[in-house]
Formats: sequence, C-alpha cells, structure tokens
Amino acid sequence: SQKIEQNSEALNIQEGKTATLTCNYTNYSPAYLQWYRQDPGRGPVFLLLIRENEKEKRKERLKVTFDTTLKQSLFHITASQPADSATYLCALDKDYGGSQGNLIFGKGTKLSVKP
Amino acid sequence: DAGVTQSPTHLIKTRGQQVTLRCSPKSGHDTVSWYQQALGQGPQFIFQYYEEEERQRGNFPDRFSGHQFPNYSSELNVNALLLGDSALYLCASSFSREAFFGQGTRLTVV
Repeated sequence: SQKIEQNSEALNIQEGKTATLTCNYTNYSPAYLQWYRQDPGRGPVFLLLIRENEKEKRKERLKVTFDTTLKQSLFHITASQPADSATYLCALDKDYGGSQGNLIFGKGTKLSVKP
Repeated sequence: DAGVTQSPTHLIKTRGQQVTLRCSPKSGHDTVSWYQQALGQGPQFIFQYYEEEERQRGNFPDRFSGHQFPNYSSELNVNALLLGDSALYLCASSFSREAFFGQGTRLTVV
C-alpha cells in the first residue's frame, strides 16, 4: 500500500539557520507533491506544489525539491524565524482527471525555531 | 472572501449517536473534500464531492456519508459514533490543485 514518511517528528533549529524537512514515499508515483503548514488547532495552509517533472520550486524563503527516482522531497526554509514554528505536512496529490485528487498526508514534522 | 468555513467548531457526542458537520467552501470552488485528523497524525482522506456527487472515497466505513448542495456547500454525517471517531474533521475546497482548509470541527465522542 502507499506509504509516506516524514523523517522527523520534531526538528529544533536556531533562528537564522536553514531548516530542512524530508518526505519519503513508497509504492506510489504522484503527479504532484504538496507542502502545507499547520498551526495548533487550525487547518493546514497550502505552501507549495511541485510537479513530477519539476526538480525544484521556490517561493520567497521556501524551496522544495522533488526526486522521483529517490521518491523523496526536501523542504527548505532559509533564514528561519520563530514565526516559522509549526507542523509541516507533506502530501501526495493523486491526480484525478486533471483535478486535485485525494491528498495522502504524512504525519508531519513539528519545527521549532529558537531565537 | 471568507475562505472555507466549518460549523460547529467543537462538538461533544455520546457513543452511538449521529452527528452532522457542515462546510461552506471558498467562493468559486466547486470541489469539497473531507479529512479526519487524529491527534499527532496527518489528515486522512474521507471523501470528495464534485457537482453534488461523491467522486472519490477513502478507506472509511459506510457510517461516514456526505452530501454536496447546489451552492457547493457540503455536509459530513457520521452514524453510530464510536470513541475512535474522536478527531479534528477538516473540510477542504479546491478549484485547481491547491486545497484550502477550514479551521476544522473538533469532535469528541464520550
């Protein structure tokens, strides 16, 4: 069956450093991979989407890479700030006729950025 | 734009009861998906509605059912509640690929 793993339950880093989060998956070939941020008691918020034929995507301080051979995505936050502290979720996007299909989420990585 | 709104925000039910959760999608979005998120876990897909039809369904029993109305709003119904149904229920609407989530309904079954 499909399996998606985020390598760390928690990641603690110092303000200003780069946070790197890992997402690995098996038994699946997603058309897209998405990253979301979730704060306690709130719904996930969309951050970035990367297609299977893209290697890298950037948005401000965020960068996502996608290696379909390794079945892995890396999510980077550069110049991290305490406000970046949250849980980050990786999701496989099962394409449905060109529309968003059901998202298969990992458990998430809780990032804490210390001042 | 109000975004995705869910009601109620919190709910306590007794085992065996039935519950209905409601979702209003973001303006212009025609697809609504429901997810269940247990504590410490990622959201799990329940089902997706498009044009008032259930288009996809995850691995959830028939006790979980839904509906989408002509204005694209949606309901999630759960019958014969079990203690294990306690979770955060999330509604997400979409028009293209990215999903916009509501704040969720925290359901506690006692």
